[in-house]
Amino acid sequence: DAKTTQPPSMDCAEGRAANLPCNHSTISGNEYVYWYRQIHSQGPQYIIHGLKNNETNEMASLIITEDRKSSTLILPHATLRDTAVYYCIVGYSTLTFGKGTMLLVSP
Amino acid sequence: DAGVIQSPRHEVTEMGQEVTLRCKPISGHDYLFWYRQTMMRGLELLIYFNNNVPIDDSGMPEDRFSAKMPNASFSTLKIQPSEPRDSAVYFCASSRTIPSTDTQYFGPGTRLTVL
Repeated sequence: DAKTTQPPSMDCAEGRAANLPCNHSTISGNEYVYWYRQIHSQGPQYIIHGLKNNETNEMASLIITEDRKSSTLILPHATLRDTAVYYCIVGYSTLTFGKGTMLLVSP
Repeated sequence: DAGVIQSPRHEVTEMGQEVTLRCKPISGHDYLFWYRQTMMRGLELLIYFNNNVPIDDSGMPEDRFSAKMPNASFSTLKIQPSEPRDSAVYFCASSRTIPSTDTQYFGPGTRLTVL
């Protein structure tokens, strides 16, 4: 079973920030937090990952709480093309995908 | 690089037939993963290889499924005999190292329909 809990769906207006939460209260010390997304009918796409510190790349920012029991993926300026299922995954060697959050970005 | 390549993109077959799915990982990637995605079960890891050697096949559903990696640039997932419940999208992914320090790159998937 996936070790994460995510809301099944979220809405966001185009151009606004999308903040996707994830709870992972049973995370172990050496487990990373990964975020992937899957646009309809495509293979999952890597977004970002982190261990303890907050991370930022050209796609998104990842905020991990100090106790590492939860995290937030931030898409700073959501576009229609960001509509997808977003998966939060914790693990070390392999990835176990849960149900994810369906993010709908609307005009 | 062309990314992970999978073939065929779509496969329709009849129950009882043998099905072979193919994957070419990204050059230089030492790890190759096979996943299956269905509406009911989501995205499941079936098996993964390191340097062409199967490391963990605990996700393979049953003996009808087999996977091979004869060289660093090619892998197959075979189902024999196929059943309607095998209908799913099968993804192949590769990475340079184990995911903790690297990302997985997924192929476009093969949509399998077993009638």
